[in-house]
This record gives sequence, C-alpha cells and structure tokens, in this order.
Amino acid sequence: SQKIEQNSEALNIQEGKTATLTCNYTNYSPAYLQWYRQDPGRGPVFLLLIRENEKEKRKERLKVTFDTTLKQSLFHITASQPADSATYLCAHDGGSQGNLIFGKGTKLSVKP
Amino acid sequence: NAGVMQNPRHLVRRRGQEARLRCSPMKGHSHVYWYRQLPEEGLKFMVYLQKENIIDESGMPKERFSAEFPKEGPSILRIQQVVRGDSAAYFCASSPPWRGEQYFGPGTRLTVT
Repeated sequence: SQKIEQNSEALNIQEGKTATLTCNYTNYSPAYLQWYRQDPGRGPVFLLLIRENEKEKRKERLKVTFDTTLKQSLFHITASQPADSATYLCAHDGGSQGNLIFGKGTKLSVKP
Repeated sequence: NAGVMQNPRHLVRRRGQEARLRCSPMKGHSHVYWYRQLPEEGLKFMVYLQKENIIDESGMPKERFSAEFPKEGPSILRIQQVVRGDSAAYFCASSPPWRGEQYFGPGTRLTVT
C-alpha cells in the first residue's frame, strides 16, 4: 500500500534559522505532493502544491522541492519566526480520483 | 468569500445515539471530502462526494457510517449507533474541479460518552 512518512515528529529551531522538513513516500509515484499547516484545534491550511515535473516551488519564505528519484519532498521555511510554529503535513494523491493520503505531520517549534 | 463551514464544532453523543455532521463547501466548489483525525494520528480519508454522487467511499467503515451531498444544502456525514472509538475530529474539505489542493473547514469534534 502507498505510504507517506514524515521522518521527524518534532523539530525545534531558533528564530531566524531555516527549518527543513522531510516527506518520503513509497510504493507509488504521485502526480503531485502538497504541504499543509495545521494549528491546534483547527483544520489544515493549504500552503503549496508541487507537481512531479517541477523540481522546486516557492511562495514568500516557503520553498518546496520534489525529488522523484529519492521519492522525497523537502519543505523549507527561511528566516523562521515563532508564528511559524505549527504542525506541517505532507500529502499526495495516492492514485485516487481526489482524496489525499497524509503523513502524520512534523510539529515545528520556533524559539525566540 | 466564506471558507468551508462545518457545524456543529463540538458534538457530544452517548453510545448508541446518532451523530450528524454538516459541511458547506466554499462557494464555487463542487467537490467535498471527509477526513477523520484521531489523537496522535494523521488525517485519514473517508469519502469523496460531488453533488448527488459518491465518487469514492473506500475510507468509510462499512457499517454505521454514511455520507451524502444533496443537490441543495450541505454535505452530511452520518454516524449511527456511535461507539467510543468514533470519538475524533472530523474534517470536511472542498475543492474546485481540476484542482489538487483542498480547503478544510474547522472540523467537528465528536465525543462519545
């Protein structure tokens, strides 16, 4: 079955540093990967989508890469701020018509 | 432009009762998805609907759970004869046609006592 794994349950970094989160997938080649942010008690918020033919995508301080050889996506937050503290989820389409398969998430804490 | 709306936000039911969760998608979105999130676990897909059609229900438990998205009105996730294991956060998401990203509602937190 398709699996999607986010290697770190938690990541603690200092304000101003770059946070790098990892997402690996197995047993499937997704057409795209997505990243979401989830705050406690709230629904996930869509951040970025990257397609299999795109190597990199940026949005403000966020950058996502997609390496189909390594079956991996990296999510970077540059110049991190305490307000970036949240759980970040990665997801792919799983070969279905529309539903997403999510990783368990990485909880990022940015310390001032 | 209002986002995805879910109600109620919190729902308490006793074992054996029925739970009805409602979801109104974003304006212009014709695709609705339901997910369940258990504590310390990831989001799990349950069902994907378009107006009056169930497209994929591969994540739905075979018994007690049903979903609909009628021509008029919100999408409904219905859980009959709830058990303690149904306690979870249930999220609804919507998307426009031909777009991969999904927009989530705030969730309904179901507690079964």
